[in-house]
Amino acid sequence: KAGVTQTPRYLIKTRGQQVTLSCSPISGHRSVSWYQQTPGQGLQFLFEYFSETQRNKGNFPGRFSGRQFSNSRSEMNVSTLELGDSALYLCASSLAWTSGWTDTQYFGPGTRLTVL
Amino acid sequence: EDQVTQSPEALRLQEGESSSLNCSYTVSGLRGLFWYRQDPGKGPEFLFTLYSAGEEKEKERLKATLTKKESFLHITAPKPEDSATYLCAVQAEANAGGTSYGKLTFGQGTILTVHP
Repeated sequence: KAGVTQTPRYLIKTRGQQVTLSCSPISGHRSVSWYQQTPGQGLQFLFEYFSETQRNKGNFPGRFSGRQFSNSRSEMNVSTLELGDSALYLCASSLAWTSGWTDTQYFGPGTRLTVL
Repeated sequence: EDQVTQSPEALRLQEGESSSLNCSYTVSGLRGLFWYRQDPGKGPEFLFTLYSAGEEKEKERLKATLTKKESFLHITAPKPEDSATYLCAVQAEANAGGTSYGKLTFGQGTILTVHP
């Protein structure tokens, strides 16, 4: 069974630009979560999508947004890039997230974003 | 606010020298505790999920245990290929009016190096 895939794997952008990252979950998984990983802050939760709806959001500015498509694939967008947005962006998928059920999240390889 | 603290920050072992990694957590209610392994430049790889105090899980040279305040990852007779960063994360119960969908709170990780 194929794992979580993320594209592109590497990106270099300049300040003020915007970027779109893509994530394809494991087949059959319906929930997709996004995380930002930096050396200083570690892994931080950005948002989670299920059935094309954002169900949870972390403490990031509105420049960070996302969406999920009917096939569960997800994209995240960062507008007006800042130097501090340089990070490894990780996507994770899980089967579902229902009340009383704790799901294991499986991570993709990440997209390394460098902002110059 | 949910908090996860891992210790030590770094651990150097000789091949065959057993040891333990610690993960202390503070959450309003625990839905699950997760251990991941992360190699440089890659996404976290799932190891274990623990749900309640007293639970233990094993996989090859690794054993994870859980109490009401902390979790341990025991490594027995480690090999150089066990060298990686080990991450602990918690899934908390939602606060009143809130949601915990898809959100894992991570510790900073323990960098394990096993020398031959």
